[in-house]
Amino acid sequence: GAVVSQHPSWVICKSGTSVKIECRSLDFQATTMFWYRQFPKQSLMLMATSNEGSKATYEQGVEKDKFLINHASLTLSTLTVTSAHPEDSSFYICSGRDSLIETQYFGPGTRLLVL
Amino acid sequence: AQSVTQLDSQVPVFEEAPVELRCNYSSSVSVYLFWYVQYPNQGLQLLLKYLSGSTLVESINGFEAEFNKSQTSFHLRKPSVHISDTAEYFCAVSAPGGYQKVTFGTGTKLQVIP
Repeated sequence: GAVVSQHPSWVICKSGTSVKIECRSLDFQATTMFWYRQFPKQSLMLMATSNEGSKATYEQGVEKDKFLINHASLTLSTLTVTSAHPEDSSFYICSGRDSLIETQYFGPGTRLLVL
Repeated sequence: AQSVTQLDSQVPVFEEAPVELRCNYSSSVSVYLFWYVQYPNQGLQLLLKYLSGSTLVESINGFEAEFNKSQTSFHLRKPSVHISDTAEYFCAVSAPGGYQKVTFGTGTKLQVIP
């Protein structure tokens, strides 16, 4: 199947700092990318949908000023957690949609720990 | 809007025994259905999908799922499980086309007992 990479795979930061997570589709063009958050032993919660070249669409309850999403190309989307706090600690997973075969492929996830 | 129900949060099964993980969905439009597997501390991997055509779909590692429109189900089965199948399994649904997002079930933890 298609490959989606995420970088970094895990990050520890101090409260108040900003963290950027990159999501890349390596062998297909992803006009749409999705960002999810997963808490321990829970399912994925969709945070936002990002379409290449346009503003992201955020799910209800997700602060767009805190979770900045940029989808500048067909193979790269970034999520920046601004002024991170301990409650932002989570597992963040991105996915890219291969529109040719109507399937989402997921990255390996980024584990964020805010101290 | 679509929704997915995975009634079983955990399914313990002995190695080499058969297993069925249940998934039911609701939707007012036609659907695409997916099963994803998540190993500990990893992202999701696509296991198999139904988009159209044959209602029985198979994965390369022996899993299969059958789309049953009348029962709105997409149960995942394997005739003989292996220790390495221990993981979390998520059923998901989306509507065809466009920028449709995928809606996930709450997941089923398959625990294979040696």
